[in-house]
Amino acid sequence: NAGVTQTPKFRVLKTGQSMTLLCAQDMNHEYMYWYRQDPGMGLRLIHYSVGEGTTAKGEVPDGYNVSRLKKQNFLLGLESAAPSQTSVYFCASRGQDNSPLHFGNGTRLTVT
Amino acid sequence: AQSVTQLGSHVSVSEGALVLLRCNYSSSVPPYLFWYVQYPNQGLQLLLKYTTGATLVKGINGFEAEFKKSETSFHLTKPSAHMSDAAEYFCAVSRGSGGYQKVTFGTGTKLQVIP
Repeated sequence: NAGVTQTPKFRVLKTGQSMTLLCAQDMNHEYMYWYRQDPGMGLRLIHYSVGEGTTAKGEVPDGYNVSRLKKQNFLLGLESAAPSQTSVYFCASRGQDNSPLHFGNGTRLTVT
Repeated sequence: AQSVTQLGSHVSVSEGALVLLRCNYSSSVPPYLFWYVQYPNQGLQLLLKYTTGATLVKGINGFEAEFKKSETSFHLTKPSAHMSDAAEYFCAVSRGSGGYQKVTFGTGTKLQVIP
């Protein structure tokens, strides 16, 4: 019973490098989300998707791109990493209107 | 617009004492409210949720929360703290249908349990 799986768990990037974070869910959920968590700021929504093939911007989308080619996967890309993107990234999914979110265990990203 | 305010970024209680974590929300429509818990190096897990109906909601691990519309509050309580309750707790409000399910989180409260 995997739920929401994020890879990788940890990553260190140099400024200007690119990377992709993968989120996979096995619950057949329609909605998927990417959040970043920073001390004292709670969780802030980066991008989200309401179904396969759809994506939309959240509160802090600058510097990130996403894709949802398959219903079970939601990818978060950083094209040119910046130190301000050092954070813990969480993927989440939900199946129905206003149902609880299911979270992955996060990816800790450090940009030097 | 909707928002969540959690009073107190850090709360310390003695083992066996009452736990009270405060959450106030604002929402232009009746809200759906949630409490999540985050243990170190893990994602958030659902503690309990309020949708409609009974205003006192019971969750896992002995926690409960009461929805008070007149006070726009959804405070989390547990009668007797256990060492394993040490974690960060997030209140969240959700509203939306037919597409974007906006979820707004509070900034979190770290609970320390003192032996």
